[in-house]
Amino acid sequence: QSALTQPASVSGSPGQSITISCSGTSSDVGANKYVSWYQQHPGKVPKLMISDVSNRPSGVSNRFSGSKSGNTASLTISGLQAEDEADYYCSSYTSSSTYVFGTGTKVTVL
Amino acid sequence: EVQLVESGGGLVKTGGSLRLSCTASEFTFSVYPMNWVRQAPGKGLEWVSSISSGGNSIYYADSLKGRFTISRDNTKNSVYLQMKSLRVEDTAVYYCARETRHGFNMDYWGQGTLVTVSS
Repeated sequence: QSALTQPASVSGSPGQSITISCSGTSSDVGANKYVSWYQQHPGKVPKLMISDVSNRPSGVSNRFSGSKSGNTASLTISGLQAEDEADYYCSSYTSSSTYVFGTGTKVTVL
Repeated sequence: EVQLVESGGGLVKTGGSLRLSCTASEFTFSVYPMNWVRQAPGKGLEWVSSISSGGNSIYYADSLKGRFTISRDNTKNSVYLQMKSLRVEDTAVYYCARETRHGFNMDYWGQGTLVTVSS
């Protein structure tokens, strides 16, 4: 199972919106609604930010939103803030009952 | 608050074995599937294995089959990862993560335990 493809880095100024893409196949991202997004600050534990393509767990800012079209999922961060600077990983449940993570995207707030 | 505490990491020679443990608290462990995810130094997340709540459904990443074995003991609120024939490329922080009951997402993660494999 190959890793899902994410851009290595995305940057934006405070207040702007950015979008991170996550490209997979019909066996993972395109197979079901189980795409998740995780935020990881340096030296910290990953945190679930989006579940089931577009659901925000309790406590996650509504500045984070997710969507999916075909084999590509996206995470949008609106009103970018300094605290959003972190690594972001998508993940998908697959048709083989396994998981696959994305390659990761470093978000920089300019 | 949900807690997951991993243990058992350390330094091991190539070809050696290690058993990781993850002990859960503050939730009904026996009804949740559990996962192991690893992260090599400076690298991304890699899913390792999952086990259903009752332990009867188990899955592994293709690259690890035959070397790693996941298990759980619901009486001890613990999930384990037995690793054998370890390679340098298995060096990573190993996280246990709780899977949501209705969906396939990982909502709580432990702090991780570092496994270092040296030649």
